[in-house]
Amino acid sequence: TQLLEQSPQFLSIQEGENLTVYCNSSSVFSSLQWYRQEPGEGPVLLVTVVTGGEVKKLKRLTFQFGDARKDSSLHITAAQPGDTGLYLCAVSTGNQFYFGTGTSLTVIP
Amino acid sequence: IAGITQAPTSQILAAGRRMTLRCTQDMRHNAMYWYRQDLGLGLRLIHYSNTAGTTGKGEVPDGYSVSRANTDDFPLTLASAVPSQTSVYFCASSDDQAGDLTDTQYFGPGTRLTVL
Repeated sequence: TQLLEQSPQFLSIQEGENLTVYCNSSSVFSSLQWYRQEPGEGPVLLVTVVTGGEVKKLKRLTFQFGDARKDSSLHITAAQPGDTGLYLCAVSTGNQFYFGTGTSLTVIP
Repeated sequence: IAGITQAPTSQILAAGRRMTLRCTQDMRHNAMYWYRQDLGLGLRLIHYSNTAGTTGKGEVPDGYSVSRANTDDFPLTLASAVPSQTSVYFCASSDDQAGDLTDTQYFGPGTRLTVL
């Protein structure tokens, strides 16, 4: 059983479309991170959210932490081919760090 | 700035052989981590070290050992490799004083290991 469930698992969209990916859990967390991983490389941190209901924007990416701090969403506006990659959410409990299985996004030019 | 380097980039290994994956960081981060990434299972923590001289077990530690003799190096050893250890291994580091994941983890480029 995965601590973090991400959906959808795969997403293929046309350039210019909007999309939202989700990270859900039944547990409450003090913070949550989103990473993007490109093929053949390690993940790179996009954002950390720490407050329930918090919304953070990074250019065309909008991240929201759920009010109950159990879930999070990532919305991309006007997707571009450069957004292609694996999007991972991650949390920590004590000294254990857990990643979701990821959403693999392909943006078609 | 190199960040985190891992070696080798890839390796094919016979089952039963001993293998050490190397990880070095030049950011003077206190915390270091080893993950494995498998299709459908995501990244799973193997071992971690909050500071030089200390190590801890992650979610999937069996079959692996680590040491942290100094700040910069965090090698991962497979004492007797098995096919189920075929995976992509990532090393990461962070300046994570509080241990609460609010600090950035910086990942290396990964080592692709195949055990036959």
